[in-house]
Amino acid sequence: GNSVTQMEGPVTLSEEAFLTINCTYTATGYPSLFWYVQYPGEGLQLLLKATKADDKGSNKGFEATYRKETTSFHLEKGSVQVSDSAVYFCALSAGGGSTLGRLYFGRGTQLTVWP
Amino acid sequence: DAGVIQSPRHEVTEMGQEVTLRCKPISGHDYLFWYRQTMMRGLELLIYFNNNVPIDDSGMPEDRFSAKMPNASFSTLKIQPSEPRDSAVYFCASSSTGGRQPQHFGDGTRLSIL
Repeated sequence: GNSVTQMEGPVTLSEEAFLTINCTYTATGYPSLFWYVQYPGEGLQLLLKATKADDKGSNKGFEATYRKETTSFHLEKGSVQVSDSAVYFCALSAGGGSTLGRLYFGRGTQLTVWP
Repeated sequence: DAGVIQSPRHEVTEMGQEVTLRCKPISGHDYLFWYRQTMMRGLELLIYFNNNVPIDDSGMPEDRFSAKMPNASFSTLKIQPSEPRDSAVYFCASSSTGGRQPQHFGDGTRLSIL
């Protein structure tokens, strides 16, 4: 089946620290992978995506590389800011058959950045 | 371009009342999804539609929940009768054809059942 496992939170960092949020997946076929971010009181927003192995998605200083050999899509940022405080969701789309169009989400990781 | 529009943003009602949540997807998107988010259970997919047809409603918790999509620009999620355990944030999302397209979320409806 299709599933996503991401690291438990909460994650608390000081401003300018390095961020890694781990995400691993199980999928049938060749999934596309996504990171979404949710700010307080808002819906989820697409942060970045990768559609095939070895692709690197990037946006707003965040990066994630699609690693087929380790079935991982870890989110990284070199220097976090207070404004990055949010909940981050890893997701996959298996893109085939009866599940076409559906996303499978991880549980979310709460990130808090202190000044 | 307008994003996914949900209404109301907040709803407070008493147990036993009927609740109707509304969603307008992004124009041209042919997939529409309803999610529920709670602290205990996280983000749950309730039901999704493709070209106005329900594809998978296995996430609908019980018969008190129903969803319709009468046309490409409107969907409703109805709870009747409502119970306190239905209190949650309900999100609608839409996407264009193909499993590799990202979903675009609305800002959600925060539902409180007293």
